[in-house]
Amino acid sequence: EIVMTQSPDTLYMSPGERATLSCRASQSIGGKLAWYQQRPGQSPRLLIYDAFRRATGIPARFSGSGSGTEFTLTISSLQSEDFAVYYCQHFDDWPPWAFGQGTKLEIK
Amino acid sequence: QMQLVESGGGVVQPGRSLRLSCAASGFAFNNFGMHWARQAPGKGLEWLAVVWHDGSNKYYADSVRGRFTISRDNSKNTVFLQMNTLRGDDTATYYCAKGGDPDGSFGMDVWGQGTAVSVSS
Repeated sequence: EIVMTQSPDTLYMSPGERATLSCRASQSIGGKLAWYQQRPGQSPRLLIYDAFRRATGIPARFSGSGSGTEFTLTISSLQSEDFAVYYCQHFDDWPPWAFGQGTKLEIK
Repeated sequence: QMQLVESGGGVVQPGRSLRLSCAASGFAFNNFGMHWARQAPGKGLEWLAVVWHDGSNKYYADSVRGRFTISRDNSKNTVFLQMNTLRGDDTATYYCAKGGDPDGSFGMDVWGQGTAVSVSS
């Protein structure tokens, strides 16, 4: 079973800065990775799938990269609404399709 | 627009059962895999189960395999989660979500608002 590990657990940033969030898979998953954003009190929202493809309606400041076991979500210039919790999830060949534990993006 | 609405949550005693429903609208339900995930209070997301677009395949997380059953009724655009032998650590908000393709992969691209389940005596 594939385990997803995100780092850091909490990231303190200021609006306008560039944020880089990491996700590591315990074995190679090719490019089968998704990223989600969850704001307080809301349901998760798909940001990125296939490691780098933006979901419908997602702003261009969100980008994903990586393959194999190492993946990155980059937010190029943080807006106030971007401070939230971010999860990665793998979609390797067969389920279970685990989430990472999440990275909380907080205002510095 | 695409929408998912969960129902069926509530307070239940340990060892009892509960059936969650998720009604879909705004997309061709029978073309997409459907998921259930949950989030315990103050915790992260946990993927639970997926059912393929035609109901032919179902997969589960280890934590619920043998106790939970996912199913779907394409004639009613509804996906279900039958939860048996409930335990305290099943207390969570339960979400259904649409997959990006017939077997549910390519991300969970539409989520419901969630339904809360509390397992307590």
